[in-house]
Amino acid sequence: AQSVAQPEDQVNVAEGNPLTVKCTYSVSGNPYLFWYVQYPNRGLQFLLKYITGDNLVKGSYGFEAEFNKSQTSFHLKKPSALVSDSALYFCAVRDMSENSGGYQKVTFGTGTKLQVIP
Amino acid sequence: DGGITQSPKYLFRKEGQNVTLSCEQNLNHDAMYWYRQDPGQGLRLIYYSQIVNDFQKGDIAEGYSVSREKKESFPLTVTSAQKNPTAFYLCASSARNNRARGTEAFFGQGTRLTVV
Repeated sequence: AQSVAQPEDQVNVAEGNPLTVKCTYSVSGNPYLFWYVQYPNRGLQFLLKYITGDNLVKGSYGFEAEFNKSQTSFHLKKPSALVSDSALYFCAVRDMSENSGGYQKVTFGTGTKLQVIP
Repeated sequence: DGGITQSPKYLFRKEGQNVTLSCEQNLNHDAMYWYRQDPGQGLRLIYYSQIVNDFQKGDIAEGYSVSREKKESFPLTVTSAQKNPTAFYLCASSARNNRARGTEAFFGQGTRLTVV
């Protein structure tokens, strides 16, 4: 069975400082990994994904994430946080060994609330 | 603009009533999904559909029903059998093609359902 963990319910960071939102995963095969952001009372917006290739993935709004196979992690990062980055962030995983199907095979984490302090 | 539209944004239901949440997409996606979001629990899959006239139960289907008569539409009915329906409901769609199984999902803006 696959799983994903976001160990921090909330992360606080000062505006202008680098931010990291942590994600670890467990799959039997190789993973597809995703990050989404959710603003209050809104749907999820896709930020970035890891499928294969370069371990450093760049996404929307200046976010990036580093895939680390040995540590089974996919932490979300940004060099300089903005107040407007304050939102709920979700990590998601799918086992690449699944040969068919779509998002019914994706497992979402419980979310990390990011608070950027002016 | 391409995207997913959910309506209404807010919905109030009396106990014992059925209510239907609308979800429409113009992304030409084959697959559509309904999720329920509760604080601290992430997203839980209610139902999904990979093709017109076919749908499957997700992890928490009890008390819910769906239909998929058109590719663009995937309405969710919350029935009176759902014991705790107050939640934020999210509709999503994705490409179904196996070669694109790493594709991202596109989400609607959500419907907040409250039982009064």
